[in-house]
Amino acid sequence: QKEVEQNSGPLSVPEGAIASLNCTYSDRGSQSFFWYRQYSGKSPELIMSIYSNGDKEDGRFTAQLNKASQYVSLLIRDSQPSDSATYLCAVTGRGYQKVTFGTGTKLQVIP
Amino acid sequence: AAGVIQSPRHLIKEKRETATLKCYPIPRHDTVYWYQQGPGQDPQFLISFYEKMQSDKGSIPDRFSAQQFSDYHSELNMSSLELGDSALYFCASSPRGGEQFFGPGTRLTVL
Repeated sequence: QKEVEQNSGPLSVPEGAIASLNCTYSDRGSQSFFWYRQYSGKSPELIMSIYSNGDKEDGRFTAQLNKASQYVSLLIRDSQPSDSATYLCAVTGRGYQKVTFGTGTKLQVIP
Repeated sequence: AAGVIQSPRHLIKEKRETATLKCYPIPRHDTVYWYQQGPGQDPQFLISFYEKMQSDKGSIPDRFSAQQFSDYHSELNMSSLELGDSALYFCASSPRGGEQFFGPGTRLTVL
């Protein structure tokens, strides 16, 4: 079992809709959780970080963390075609060193 | 704002040759990470350095070595290159325990 799991997609949503991306992780000691966006051939770009249970909102993005269920999600409201990319869930364990990435979910926003 | 700088951006080598990739972290970031990303794959953690000391080690082949220098820049040395080493190599930097920010990557092609 991979340490961080995501559905590979592609996840297709119409423009203006809410895109919901999900991620589960296996290490209960995980401390920090991140969502990165990656366009093809480009480097991952940090879009959200979350450290405690609950919701964290930043513009059109909301990250949700549930440590009891070992689950983290990302909601993108009012999805735009420019949001079409691969979204990587990333988790760090104790010591805040190595980041373990999920395999990414490819999001396609249909105009 | 200053970002992570990587050089070269593109590198073409023959099998069995040696390559050196360089990374210049964001100012005041004391931790550097190296990742390898093959086509269609998530970034795989190779190695990290904190305050010029190796802090964590991932799936880095024995043919690869890395170090962090007194000015905090880091170099990844790759010897006896193989076709399978062709990938994007990302460097990321962070303040201790903080969010990682990625450089633009070096695309290595081994012929």
